[in-house]
Amino acid sequence: AQSVAQPEDQVNVAEGNPLTVKCTYSVSGNPYLFWYVQYPNRGLQFLLKYITGDNLVKGSYGFEAEFNKSQTSFHLKKPSALVSDSALYFCAVRDPSGGYNKLIFGAGTRLAVHP
Amino acid sequence: KAGVTQTPRYLIKTRGQQVTLSCSPISGHRSVSWYQQTPGQGLQFLFEYFSETQRNKGNFPGRFSGRQFSNSRSEMNVSTLELGDSALYLCASSSALSGTDTQYFGPGTRLTVL
Repeated sequence: AQSVAQPEDQVNVAEGNPLTVKCTYSVSGNPYLFWYVQYPNRGLQFLLKYITGDNLVKGSYGFEAEFNKSQTSFHLKKPSALVSDSALYFCAVRDPSGGYNKLIFGAGTRLAVHP
Repeated sequence: KAGVTQTPRYLIKTRGQQVTLSCSPISGHRSVSWYQQTPGQGLQFLFEYFSETQRNKGNFPGRFSGRQFSNSRSEMNVSTLELGDSALYLCASSSALSGTDTQYFGPGTRLTVL
């Protein structure tokens, strides 16, 4: 079965330091991977996606993600964290057995950036 | 372009009632998907509609249903509400031209069942 794991419930980082939010996946076939961010009382905002091509994907707000096929990982990164990056982050993979638009989400990782 | 809009933003219902939630996709998007978000189960796929037809369905009971109109707007309905239906219901739209399309989410409808 298709699945996504986000092993950390919370990540704490000081403002200005680099941040990494981890994601591993299990899917049959080629993985289509996504990162979304959710602020309180808001929906999900799209950050970036990996479909094919370069393993380093650049997205919105200075975020990037590194696809690693051998480790089945898709970690989200940012070189310098901002307090305003504090939010809930979700990794997702398209379920190939569910048609075009069925996403399977990880449990989410809460990012706390401290001044 | 305007984003995905959902109405109402908040709803309070009692057990046994039914509820209808509405979603207007981004202009030009023909696919609308619905997800349920709860603290215990996280984000779970409910169903997807494309060109007024349900294309995919998640693992939810038949009390959860939906439809899509010719203008791509979608509604979902939950009948005979249970306490466990309390959740944030998110709608997402995409152009659905291929499996690589991005889904863009609305702000959600917060449903509380008392």
